[in-house]
Amino acid sequence: DGGITQSPKYLFRKEGQNVTLSCEQNLNHDAMYWYRQDPGQGLRLIYYSQIVNDFQKGDIAEGYSVSREKKESFPLTVTSAQKNPTAFYLCASSIKGSMKTEAFFGQGTRLTVV
Amino acid sequence: QQQVKQSPQSLIVQKGGISIINCAYENTAFDYFPWYQQFPGKGPALLIAIRPDVSEKKEGRFTISFNKSAKQFSLHIMDSQPGDSATYFCAARGRTDKLIFGTGTRLQVFP
Repeated sequence: DGGITQSPKYLFRKEGQNVTLSCEQNLNHDAMYWYRQDPGQGLRLIYYSQIVNDFQKGDIAEGYSVSREKKESFPLTVTSAQKNPTAFYLCASSIKGSMKTEAFFGQGTRLTVV
Repeated sequence: QQQVKQSPQSLIVQKGGISIINCAYENTAFDYFPWYQQFPGKGPALLIAIRPDVSEKKEGRFTISFNKSAKQFSLHIMDSQPGDSATYFCAARGRTDKLIFGTGTRLQVFP
């Protein structure tokens, strides 16, 4: 089945640690995105990538880093510089430059700082 | 100019009633307006979407009404069911290929 797989589903981070969230898609989509969701808030864009080896900052990129070495993979690293990382993180992908512009989302990773 | 404003924040509807969620935008470069449905602990899933060249789109019990001159669009859920209880997000996409989301509406449908 085609789709987006995020792992792990739950992640706990100690203060000062970097952690990496995985996002893999087998939809052959060019564009991939990372969003952060906090209770009662909408989805805020962290980073997005329209093509391999290229990515752009979203609205809340500080304290996060990404890479796009492969078309199907877009991992997100939450660094120790992110002061309030506890949130629900969502990865998405879409066909870039197409009339069919639906974005497909993964099931999310819930990150908690302990 | 990049914002999408969504209201209400929460909505309680009786079974069989009509649920209406509204969104407004400012950026006239937006050219694709989807609505997403999200259940607790899950990722959002596309419900229905519209382009600004049409004023209405209907899929089953779900209808998007689009007012280009007012830069507003809304989601109507007819014959609302308890299974429709979820959080709904409107969104807009521009030429940069980014999806800008509204802040969400939590819908509760009571039997």
